[in-house]
Amino acid sequence: DAGVIQSPRHEVTEMGQEVTLRCKPISGHDYLFWYRQTMMRGLELLIYFNNNVPIDDSGMPEDRFSAKMPNASFSTLKIQPSEPRDSAVYFCASSLRFRTGRTGELFFGEGSRLTVL
Amino acid sequence: TQLLEQSPQFLSIQEGENLTVYCNSSSVFSSLQWYRQEPGEGPVLLVTVVTGGEVKKLKRLTFQFGDARKDSSLHITAAQPGDTGLYLCAGEGQTGANNLFFGTGTRLTVIP
Repeated sequence: DAGVIQSPRHEVTEMGQEVTLRCKPISGHDYLFWYRQTMMRGLELLIYFNNNVPIDDSGMPEDRFSAKMPNASFSTLKIQPSEPRDSAVYFCASSLRFRTGRTGELFFGEGSRLTVL
Repeated sequence: TQLLEQSPQFLSIQEGENLTVYCNSSSVFSSLQWYRQEPGEGPVLLVTVVTGGEVKKLKRLTFQFGDARKDSSLHITAAQPGDTGLYLCAGEGQTGANNLFFGTGTRLTVIP
């Protein structure tokens, strides 16, 4: 089975440009998460979806960030306009919640490394 | 946000040595997961602990969940170069919202 697939793996852009990161979760998983990782702040949850519906976007830094999940097999994270402080590795992860209600294992993609000059 | 502090932040040891990594919080978690992340890759789950006081072993790795479910430890016996990586603990809040709060991470280097 294919794991979580993210694209692009690397993106270098200039300040002010729009950036779109893409994610294909594992088939059958009902939760999708977007995380951002930096040396200073570690792994931060930005937003997560359940059955394609955004549940908690309180981690989204500001209005420049937006995320969508139009169907169960695709999600995007968009930054417009981008700024140098957005430079980080962005991870997408998916999971299947246990019937007991407990959080299942998160399966992470390989990440998208974003550099904003 | 429920804060999880890990210590030490960095650890460099010789092959064959033992080590312990700690994950502490003032919050109670309904479960806690440990992940390992290698350079250029996403974190991969090692173990999940659910019950206060629970101990789980994975070969040379021993995980313990604190009695009050606020803290956890990871002990590695006879560390190998293959154990090198970033170790992350992640707590599930009691609201059952199915989101995980990740710790600050411990970067382990095992020198051959």
